[in-house]
Amino acid sequence: QKEVEQNSGPLSVPEGAIASLNCTYSDRGSQSFFWYRQYSGKSPELIMSIYSNGDKEDGRFTAQLNKASQYVSLLIRDSQPSDSATYLCAVKGRDDKIIFGKGTRLHILP
Amino acid sequence: DTGVSQDPRHKITKRGQNVTFRCDPISEHNRLYWYRQTLGQGPEFLTYFQNEAQLEKSRLLSDRFSAERPKGSFSTLEIQRTEQGDSAMYLCASSWVRGGRASDEKLFFGSGTQLSVL
Repeated sequence: QKEVEQNSGPLSVPEGAIASLNCTYSDRGSQSFFWYRQYSGKSPELIMSIYSNGDKEDGRFTAQLNKASQYVSLLIRDSQPSDSATYLCAVKGRDDKIIFGKGTRLHILP
Repeated sequence: DTGVSQDPRHKITKRGQNVTFRCDPISEHNRLYWYRQTLGQGPEFLTYFQNEAQLEKSRLLSDRFSAERPKGSFSTLEIQRTEQGDSAMYLCASSWVRGGRASDEKLFFGSGTQLSVL
């Protein structure tokens, strides 16, 4: 059973600090990796995607991928109260479908 | 509104009844996914389609669940003989994948159908 693992949290981070979210996956043949944000009572929305080893930056968000370690992370710089949400790690495996982790609840403390 | 549309938004049913949900994807999207989500959990994969072809159905899914996507447009998810454990949010998502298989695949989600089985 291919899996995507995340710490469920909650992760509490002071406003203005860096939030670090982590994810591991079991399918070594996975090709694409995504971070979705889900506000309470809402549907997930894509915030970042990454396909190659290394870092990818988009505004305050940086995704990091290490395929050898089967590890994906998301850094949120200058955290804002509006960043409080559940962050879902998603992986597109060799079977081409997208599966999700359980999500990490992030709480930004004002 | 050209987003993903799901109907109904809420469904309350009695145990043992059959229910059917509908998803209308973004019109040009060729892929359609169904997920199930319960409180505090991530979306659980149920099945997905490429145009009208069902590519995979979760092995964890019982035979009470069936999905169709006739003509590669809208999709329906039917649950027969519902059980209390089927209570969840059922999410539909669509995407456009060039060439049928591509690394870059952005899912657009509908608002979901909240199912409550009494």
